[in-house]
Order: sequence, then structure tokens, then C-alpha cells
Amino acid sequence: SYELTQSPSVSVSPGQTARITCSGDALPKRYVYWYQQKSGQAPVLVIYEDSKRPSGIPERFSGSSSGTMASLTISGVQAEDEADYYCYSTDSNDDQNVFGGGTKLTVL
Amino acid sequence: EVQLVESGGGLVQPGGSLRLSCAASGFTFSDYWMNWVRQAPGKGLEWVAKIKQDGSEDYYVESVRGRFTIFRDNAKNSLYLQMNTLRVEDTAVYFCTSGDSWGQGTLVTVSA
Repeated sequence: SYELTQSPSVSVSPGQTARITCSGDALPKRYVYWYQQKSGQAPVLVIYEDSKRPSGIPERFSGSSSGTMASLTISGVQAEDEADYYCYSTDSNDDQNVFGGGTKLTVL
Repeated sequence: EVQLVESGGGLVQPGGSLRLSCAASGFTFSDYWMNWVRQAPGKGLEWVAKIKQDGSEDYYVESVRGRFTIFRDNAKNSLYLQMNTLRVEDTAVYFCTSGDSWGQGTLVTVSA
């Protein structure tokens, strides 16, 4: 079955830049979506179609994708950004959706 | 305001059945593929199933294929998940999502 791979954790100090990566063989042909999930809450979409930001999401969140790797970048990290982040996409046939394993962002 | 409200979760014995419902409002429900996503306690998100706008296509993660059925009623702006032959490993919070928006989830516990 198709898999998306994320590093388990990232730690940064406030004001620094956090970069979270996601790799998958089908990413050259499929969009990536990024979700933020804070403890005990439902996920929130922060990036869609690789790099687009939904209304209400701060400009410090950005996304990119190249080849088999996609990235979520948070510039000027704030304490409130501490959360789990998941990438989400589909397989090459577009019938199996999949989440990455999640990356825990810790703000030191 | 977009709202997705799940219901139908609860405690069920292994081998039992449960039907989850999701009531949608605040957007044109019939324009969207809809999904069920679950999260086991302390674990990550797992996509479970999706259904096309008109209900003509549905897809499932391998672990639930043949046991779960996703369906929708666009006239009632509602999404459903029929879960049969439940296993302990199906224990999770189940979310209804359009991709853009998510409900708060409903807890399904499978235990003897």
C-alpha cells in the first residue's frame, strides 16, 4: 500500500523557521495537503494543493513540492504553532488517500 | 458557517456493528467528495473511506474493505459509515471531513 513518510519530530525556538518534510513516490503527480492538529482538537487544513493557503491561515505557513518531496515551512514560529502536522495525498491511481505518520512540532 | 457533526459512536463488542452519521451544513454538500478519517488513541490520522459527490464511486483503506460501507444522502446533507464485523483495532475517534472542513469526531470503542 502507498505510504507517505514524515520525520517524527521537529524542534525550534520561537521566531525561527520550522521545515517539515513529506516524501512519497506519487507526489510528482499528486497534490499534497497539510493539516495541523492540536491536542484534543480536530485537524485544521493549513496548506492545500501543495502551496495554497486557506483563508484565515497566517502567512507564515507556506508549502512547496518538488519531485517526491513536499515541505511545509513555518517562518517565525510562534508558541501557538506547537502541534502535530500531517501531510495528506493520494496514490498514483487517485483512489487510495493516505496520511503521513505525522510530525510533532515542539516550540522550545 | 460550515458545520460537520458526527454521531453514532459508542461501545460495541468485537464482531458487532455500528452506523456513524455526519450531518453537514453551511456548504453545498453535493459538490464535495466526502471522507471518513479515524484516529486511534495516541496515534496518527488514518484515512478510512471516501465517496464521490453523487455516490457513484467509493474507496476504502484495505483494512476495512468488505467490512465498512460509506454512503451518503445528498437530499439530507448527510454522510454515513456502516461498520460491520468490528475489531478491537477499529477503536478510534472517527471524523467526517470534506477535506476543507472537519467535524469534532465520534468515539468508537470496540471491546469485550
